[in-house]
Amino acid sequence: ETGVTQSPTHLIKTRGQQVTLRCSSQSGHNTVSWYQQALGQGPQFIFQYYREEENGRGNFPPRFSGLQFPNYSSELNVNALELDDSALYLCASSGGTGGNTGELFFGEGSRLTVL
Amino acid sequence: RKEVEQDPGPFNVPEGATVAFNCTYSNSASQSFFWYRQDCRKEPKLLMSVYSSGNEDGRFTAQLNRASQYISLLIRDSKLSDSATYLCVVNGGFKTIFGAGTRLFVKA
Repeated sequence: ETGVTQSPTHLIKTRGQQVTLRCSSQSGHNTVSWYQQALGQGPQFIFQYYREEENGRGNFPPRFSGLQFPNYSSELNVNALELDDSALYLCASSGGTGGNTGELFFGEGSRLTVL
Repeated sequence: RKEVEQDPGPFNVPEGATVAFNCTYSNSASQSFFWYRQDCRKEPKLLMSVYSSGNEDGRFTAQLNRASQYISLLIRDSKLSDSATYLCVVNGGFKTIFGAGTRLFVKA
């Protein structure tokens, strides 16, 4: 057990809807990063939050947004859902100073299906 | 060109075999390197960090060649339980990039 929890574990949405995924980081970890993993692919970096600020972003459009709260938990929001957004969304927490964060501790993921 | 490239495999090997995975990365400013293991429908978990001097953890040996921007993982004496996808991971400071993964099947 990594101590990183994600919710919900599974959800189904339709095109155009909005979704919010949640992540509680491991105790003592101040950095949270989010990844999208399509079937048969490696995790794709969406963005990273350090002390409530986004400090790194991958090649995802602005309809992917996030928040980090004072307790370091985090949300991933996706607006105007598209079929290609169907994937496993992974949250990872880590310690350090928000840069080279070393080992990532992953939650079990939220599996999103867009119909 | 992908930022981190791996041979997707699959590698099918018998128990006891030695198998090697390679990975290349494009960003010469990358600072830290890892191998993660991902079992089917599970989250990735750290297998080992990779250092320029090379490092070993039991049956696993990792190497980093910064000049060639190349990372390797060697698994000796493969076990059935080593069957998984192995992900090469490169961290460039504020961005962590995963390769697509190499699938390994170890058979009895």
